[in-house]
Amino acid sequence: AQTVTQSQPEMSVQEAETVTLSCTYDTSENNYYLFWYKQPPSRQMILVIRQEAYKQQNATENRFSVNFQKAAKSFSLKISDSQLGDTAMYFCAFMILSGYALNFGKGTSLLVTP
Amino acid sequence: DVKVTQSSRYLVKRTGEKVFLECVQDMDHENMFWYRQDPGLGLRLIYFSYDVKMKEKGDIPEGYSVSREKKERFSLILESASTNQTSMYLCASSRGDRGYEQYFGPGTRLTVT
Repeated sequence: AQTVTQSQPEMSVQEAETVTLSCTYDTSENNYYLFWYKQPPSRQMILVIRQEAYKQQNATENRFSVNFQKAAKSFSLKISDSQLGDTAMYFCAFMILSGYALNFGKGTSLLVTP
Repeated sequence: DVKVTQSSRYLVKRTGEKVFLECVQDMDHENMFWYRQDPGLGLRLIYFSYDVKMKEKGDIPEGYSVSREKKERFSLILESASTNQTSMYLCASSRGDRGYEQYFGPGTRLTVT
């Protein structure tokens, strides 16, 4: 079974600063996918970034980037130049190569303050 | 843009009632999913479907059933609602390709009294 751990239930960052959200996972699989999803207050969950485990290069999407450490089974999300609209619950998720469904962590609530 | 819609944003039902939660997607996705979201527990998979009339149990299927008669529609059924099923229910869909992202609906907040 795959487990995903987000050790920071809540975080806070000031606008324009950089923040890193942690995620670790446990699996015996060698090939898999990792995701970060964002759920703004009272709004739909959307994909932030996706990483394929067989790719060594860390994924980047504008101000969002990941630090993927396969040996350490770590997949942290860095948000640069934080904006008020980044306030949301962030979920780390894992999918095995042969599967369809996501295993989610418990989430990190991020508050961006002015 | 992919659109996943859910029939209700808020629903209040009584214990013992039969409850239907409907989900519709408009992007011809093969896969559809029902998750339950509770504070401090994240999202947990109830059921998913990879094709019409096909279904697979997720991590917490007890007390739930599903129906997928058409590709675009996936229903979650609570045969006899109980108070411990009070929760936020999220539907999602994805293409049939492995590792493809899931698109989520807005959620239905169900309260069982």
